[in-house]
Amino acid sequence: TQLLEQSPQFLSIQEGENLTVYCNSSSVFSSLQWYRQEPGEGPVLLVTVVTGGEVKKLKRLTFQFGDARKDSSLHITAAQPGDTGLYLCAGEEAAGNKLTFGGGTRVLVKP
Amino acid sequence: DAGVIQSPRHEVTEMGQEVTLRCKPISGHNSLFWYRQTMMRGLELLIYFNNNVPIDDSGMPEDRFSAKMPNASFSTLKIQPSEPRDSAVYFCASMLTDSYEQYFGPGTRLTVT
Repeated sequence: TQLLEQSPQFLSIQEGENLTVYCNSSSVFSSLQWYRQEPGEGPVLLVTVVTGGEVKKLKRLTFQFGDARKDSSLHITAAQPGDTGLYLCAGEEAAGNKLTFGGGTRVLVKP
Repeated sequence: DAGVIQSPRHEVTEMGQEVTLRCKPISGHNSLFWYRQTMMRGLELLIYFNNNVPIDDSGMPEDRFSAKMPNASFSTLKIQPSEPRDSAVYFCASMLTDSYEQYFGPGTRLTVT
């Protein structure tokens, strides 16, 4: 079983600050996804990265896939209270379709 | 599109009772996944189907859990008999195979007393 470790587990920052969440594994993934989950709802897909070294931007969010496809990071610039939530990374095994989720990073952005 | 639909949203039952959770995937999606989320263990894959056929059920905790997908638009996850340690939020997700993108339902919060 491929394991994904996320750090930190919890992050509390003030509105306007930047933050970075990390997702690490000793295994190689064919693709990696980031989800955000709000209380009482299911995870919502933010982005999928598939190529080593790939960088994707979604407004104030920047996602990077490591060159070796073993790790990823999510950086949020000028965080807003609406960014509050549980951020989950998930890696797709080479066998296809099955995702392994990290433990999540709970982000709290205070106004 | 209505998205993935799950019912019920909340279920409270007594230990030993049978529990059935239901899921309607997004129309046209041919892969369906059942997950369980708890504070201790995070989000765990229980089983997934491709074209209504179970592909990997290695995450199903034990024989008390069973899942079916009788057609492309409906799946059930059954727990019989239920135990307090089964208390969790159960999510269903669907996907168009090889698209990388799973869409999650709102979840069923199960409490077994």
